[in-house]
Amino acid sequence: DIQMTQSPSTLSASVGDRVTITCRASQSIGSWLAWYQQKPGKAPKLLISKTSTLESGVPSRFSGSGSGTEFTLTISSLQPDDFATYYCQQYNSLWTFGQGTKVEIK
Amino acid sequence: QITLKESGPPLLKPTQTLTLTCTFSGFSLSSSGVAVGWIRQPPGKALEWLALIYWDDDKRYSPSLKSRLTITKDTSKNEVVLTLTNMDPVDTATYYCALMIRGGKFNYWGQGTLVTVSS
Repeated sequence: DIQMTQSPSTLSASVGDRVTITCRASQSIGSWLAWYQQKPGKAPKLLISKTSTLESGVPSRFSGSGSGTEFTLTISSLQPDDFATYYCQQYNSLWTFGQGTKVEIK
Repeated sequence: QITLKESGPPLLKPTQTLTLTCTFSGFSLSSSGVAVGWIRQPPGKALEWLALIYWDDDKRYSPSLKSRLTITKDTSKNEVVLTLTNMDPVDTATYYCALMIRGGKFNYWGQGTLVTVSS
């Protein structure tokens, strides 16, 4: 089984900050990584697929990078609507989610 | 417009079997490359993928839960059904169904349904 580990678990930041979340896979997953945003009481929303492909309607302040076992999600300038929990998910072999990173207001 | 909605019992007793239905619209589960998966999330915890069924009836299960899970589809009714046997309080979670269109990521999600297991 492929394990996904996100860091940090919680991130405190202010509006306008540049934010980076890291996701590490227990073995190489190529570029088969997606990122989701989840707000309390809501279903996850797909932000990025195949490491760096932004889904339609997702603001350009979100970006993804990486390959193999290490990946990052970057929010270039944090907006009020971005305070949420973010999950990475590998789909190289079955499907596995990371444990989540909560982005909270500093 | 693509929509998915989960339905099932909100409360179960330990050892009972959970049966959840995902009713969808806006796409066909007979179209090549389309799949529907189930993902759950215990209160305050992370997402966990459970099972997935493809348009051609190929199925995948989480290795840790494989012995307890069954996923089926009824294309004519636009439904996907998940059963999870021998429920335990640790299975208490919000259960989501989600659509996968060509390529491993879950493009659309249902609103989720909370299932509580308690005696």
